[in-house]
Amino acid sequence: DAGVIQSPRHEVTEMGQEVTLRCKPISGHNSLFWYRQTMMRGLELLIYFNNNVPIDDSGMPEDRFSAKMPNASFSTLKIQPSEPRDSAVYFCASSHRQGANYGYTFGSGTRLTVV
Amino acid sequence: AQKITQTQPGMFVQEKEAVTLDCTYDTSDPSYGLFWYKQPSSGEMIFLIYQGSYDQQNATEGRYSLNFQKARKSANLVISASQLGDSAMYFCAMKSQGGSEKLVFGKGTKLTVNP
Repeated sequence: DAGVIQSPRHEVTEMGQEVTLRCKPISGHNSLFWYRQTMMRGLELLIYFNNNVPIDDSGMPEDRFSAKMPNASFSTLKIQPSEPRDSAVYFCASSHRQGANYGYTFGSGTRLTVV
Repeated sequence: AQKITQTQPGMFVQEKEAVTLDCTYDTSDPSYGLFWYKQPSSGEMIFLIYQGSYDQQNATEGRYSLNFQKARKSANLVISASQLGDSAMYFCAMKSQGGSEKLVFGKGTKLTVNP
């Protein structure tokens, strides 16, 4: 089991550029989550998918952020245009079952720096 | 709304001693799950232990145990025989049965184990 795979591990980009973060969930997991971690706000859920369908995107900060899950093994989080305040660690996580009893497996995260 | 409170921004413990990290929660759902994650300096989120709201016994996983006091809405993590490798951020999180799959995190506690 390779775990949740995120790429890239680190991304440095200039303000105004488009950034795409990628995630491959664990095979067989049908729920996928995107979180953002900052010192000020901690871990925030941005969006989550169940069976490739977006269920709750209420945490997406604004229209500059978009997420897709075209199939069960791949998801992207895109920021266009990026701004310095988007600098954070972005985590992808997946889960194989729904319900209060089941937690997530997290990827290693992507550290995004927008200069 | 669900809320997790971790009141200890930082904790220090001597190697080989036990330490308790506090967590209180708030939810109106009768069915919920409580989770603890460890985040070492390398950044990954590592699942440690889970407690269900209907579980009669406190959860244990090796050196980790969860002191679950339902009436007080607390779910403290106890680490026994601390090791230098336990130095990390520790996050308490909760997921409720009623609806969203969202895992809500506390702000975390930074644990430092001294030799």
